[in-house]
Amino acid sequence: GAGVSQSPSNKVTEKGKDVELRCDPISGHTALYWYRQSLGQGLEFLIYFQGNSAPDKSGLPSDRFSAERTGGSVSTLTIQRTQQEDSAVYLCASSPPGAKETQYFGPGTRLLVL
Amino acid sequence: SQQGEEDPQALSIQEGENATMNCSYKTSINNLQWYRQNSGRGLVHLILIRSNEREKHSGRLRVTLDTSKKSSSLLITASRAADTASYFCASLNQNTGNQFYFGTGTSLTVIP
Repeated sequence: GAGVSQSPSNKVTEKGKDVELRCDPISGHTALYWYRQSLGQGLEFLIYFQGNSAPDKSGLPSDRFSAERTGGSVSTLTIQRTQQEDSAVYLCASSPPGAKETQYFGPGTRLLVL
Repeated sequence: SQQGEEDPQALSIQEGENATMNCSYKTSINNLQWYRQNSGRGLVHLILIRSNEREKHSGRLRVTLDTSKKSSSLLITASRAADTASYFCASLNQNTGNQFYFGTGTSLTVIP
């Protein structure tokens, strides 16, 4: 079956512009995570969605970052007024019900802010 | 902030040799996982070890967990060129229950 997909795969934007990154999780997966990976670094937790529960936004680095998950499926990560330090790979992962420890990752969106 | 640290940061071995990577973490955990990331790709889940387990095997992978030292190791036996990738440990913070903390990774190069 289809895995986690993300779009766009690459995004180049100018400082100050807003960007939207999309994640399509595996069908039926209730948990969805967003991470940020800077060059040569590990993954930084951003936000966690679980079903219809309120998301855990504790990892979002600033109020310029926000995320939504519509209908318990597709998620959008929005970065407003992008800064150069936002340049990174943004990874999305989903997990099936009752097994949130096993995350299935998408290929990521590579964001470059000029 | 991340709570996992892997060492070494980089490892280069000959095909057929064994590769050992270590991971340390800071807080109490429910489980610890290892992931592989090929260059420019997403992460692939390799193996999960629970806090009440000390050792686990999966094919050529062997993972150990020492909760008293807050450390884990990943051993890849009889390495292949296709094992070339970055390897990350990830721990689920027992206090938060939601956040997975990933280490900075070990970059493994297997020379054919």
